[in-house]
Amino acid sequence: DIVMTQSPDSLAVSLGERATINCKSSQSVFFSSNNRNYLAWYQQKPGQPPKVLIYWASTRESGVPDRFSGSGSGTDFTLTISSLQAEDVAVYYCHQYYNYPYTFGQGTKLEIQ
Amino acid sequence: EVQLVESGGGLVQPGGSLRLSCAASGFTFSSSWMHWVRQGPGKGLVWVSRISTDGTITTYADFVKGRFTISRDNAKNTLFLQMDSLRAEDTAVYYCARASTTLDDWGQGTLVTVSS
Repeated sequence: DIVMTQSPDSLAVSLGERATINCKSSQSVFFSSNNRNYLAWYQQKPGQPPKVLIYWASTRESGVPDRFSGSGSGTDFTLTISSLQAEDVAVYYCHQYYNYPYTFGQGTKLEIQ
Repeated sequence: EVQLVESGGGLVQPGGSLRLSCAASGFTFSSSWMHWVRQGPGKGLVWVSRISTDGTITTYADFVKGRFTISRDNAKNTLFLQMDSLRAEDTAVYYCARASTTLDDWGQGTLVTVSS
């Protein structure tokens, strides 16, 4: 199984500041035949299901604000929120869909400082 | 608008069974691979199972293999998860999810509690 490890486990950032969450996979999730990283980021607010923010490591889902961006390749990935808004308070998960079983990171809880 | 509505959760004793349903609308259900993902109380997301568009291909996480069965009824736009031999550690909110690129759309979930 591919193990996904996020850092940090929790993060407190001031409004308007940058938030950065890292995700490392135990093996590469890059598929060379289509040049894609099978890595997604989800946001989950309390009492709600997860919502996809980013897929293919860096493609923003339709309707997601452009302050959210994803980067990285192979085994190391980053989710960046360029200017934190109050509504961004949530738990964020990275997820590999490269092979089965699908796996998720343990989650990063993002709060306002 | 894609809608996924899970039902069938509840309280069950260890060793018991439950059948979860996920009613789908707003998209072509018969063309979509579907998944179940669970989340224990205060815990993270754990993938459980998937099923192909016609139901001929199924995949399970090791911890449910032989106990859970995923199935679908394309005529009724409904996904199922038959859960047998339930254990306390199966206690979780169970989400169904539609796969397009990744797990693109999720239901609100249904809570399964396994306790005596």
